Amino acid sequence: GENVEQHPSTLSVQEGDSAVIKCTYSDSASNYFPWYKQELGKGPQLIIDIRSNVGEKKDQRIAVTLNKTAKHFSLHITETQPEDSAVYFCALQGGGSYIPTFGRGTSLIVHP
Amino acid sequence: KAGVTQTPRYLIKTRGQQVTLSCSPISGHRSVSWYQQTPGQGLQFLFEYFSETQRNKGNFPGRFSGRQFSNSRSEMNVSTLELGDSALYLCASSLVQGGTEAFFGQGTRLTVV
Repeated sequence: GENVEQHPSTLSVQEGDSAVIKCTYSDSASNYFPWYKQELGKGPQLIIDIRSNVGEKKDQRIAVTLNKTAKHFSLHITETQPEDSAVYFCALQGGGSYIPTFGRGTSLIVHP
Repeated sequence: KAGVTQTPRYLIKTRGQQVTLSCSPISGHRSVSWYQQTPGQGLQFLFEYFSETQRNKGNFPGRFSGRQFSNSRSEMNVSTLELGDSALYLCASSLVQGGTEAFFGQGTRLTVV
């Protein structure tokens, strides 16, 4: 199946800093790239997504960028707050398969 | 609008038993997907149901099965439980087949002893 690598596995930042998480993939036919936030004891929550016909999408303090040529997409969080602390997962779908593939997750810690 | 509801939240079962988990999707959503989440393997797709039919299936043994009812509620069954089946089982609902723009429930924590 499709493979997606997510880095870093852990990211520690100070409140107010920016955080960037990157995922790389191999199937160029992938066309849907969501990001999920999972807090302790909860299910993943869709926070932003992007489709292959768009290069960048923003929603307040979060943004996702997609580089189809290089086959990577990134989550950008600006002005981080302690409540942003969670595990973030990238995922992708498409290429003739509806089966989603998830990255291994990034544990983001925002220190007050 | 109510979110995705999974029951029960916690389960403890013995090896060899079988278990049934339930998922009620967001009203109007016809796609329900099931996932297994473990520290070792991460989030893995089990299967997707849309309009009462299984549309996609992940790489899991036949002990894992599911079904969807006419009201879009879904159940997942695991037979002959193994210790390795201990995991958080998540369901996600979506408006469209394929499960994009999915909303997850809080999951059922299954422990097999």
